[in-house]
Amino acid sequence: ETGVTQSPTHLIKTRGQQVTLRCSSQSGHNTVSWYQQALGQGPQFIFQYYREEENGRGNFPPRFSGLQFPNYSSELNVNALELDDSALYLCASSLVVGTGMETQYFGPGTRLLVL
Amino acid sequence: AQKITQTQPGMFVQEKEAVTLDCTYDTSDPSYGLFWYKQPSSGEMIFLIYQGSYDQQNATEGRYSLNFQKARKSANLVISASQLGDSAMYFCAMREGSGGTSYGKLTFGQGTILTVHP
Repeated sequence: ETGVTQSPTHLIKTRGQQVTLRCSSQSGHNTVSWYQQALGQGPQFIFQYYREEENGRGNFPPRFSGLQFPNYSSELNVNALELDDSALYLCASSLVVGTGMETQYFGPGTRLLVL
Repeated sequence: AQKITQTQPGMFVQEKEAVTLDCTYDTSDPSYGLFWYKQPSSGEMIFLIYQGSYDQQNATEGRYSLNFQKARKSANLVISASQLGDSAMYFCAMREGSGGTSYGKLTFGQGTILTVHP
């Protein structure tokens, strides 16, 4: 068990809708990252939040946005869903102390299907 | 160019035997970290082992060891005494840099599916 939880576990949406995915990090972790994993692929970095501010983004459009809250929870919001957004969405938390050795601990993921 | 390359889509190993999963990486940053994760069919990514670019010795964690060859830019995972529960997808990942916006960004390979036969 990593201590990182995600909700919901599965979700079905239709094209054009909006979705919010939630993540609860390990207590004390100050950084959360979100990844998209398409079927049969490795995870792709979406963005990370450090102390409640976005601090790095991958090659994803602005319709992917996020929030990080003081209580170690975070959200990934996706607007105007497209069929290609169907994937497993993973969040990962870590405690950044500046050594560069920090390990990211992943949650079980949310499987999103866009019809 | 691919930053992380895993050339073995699938590997098979007999229970109790050792197996090596290959990973090569590409970076010009002198400071980087290499990670291996296991992903069972349930989807959760399980951290296995970490190797820093400045580490002098190969990392080991129980039955997992990392064969780090810096000049060849390879970071192969060795699993000793394979168990049936080791059957899963294995990902090699890299984090470049040592601070700032590099903290959260892991770049993953395509993965290797390991099947352990009884």
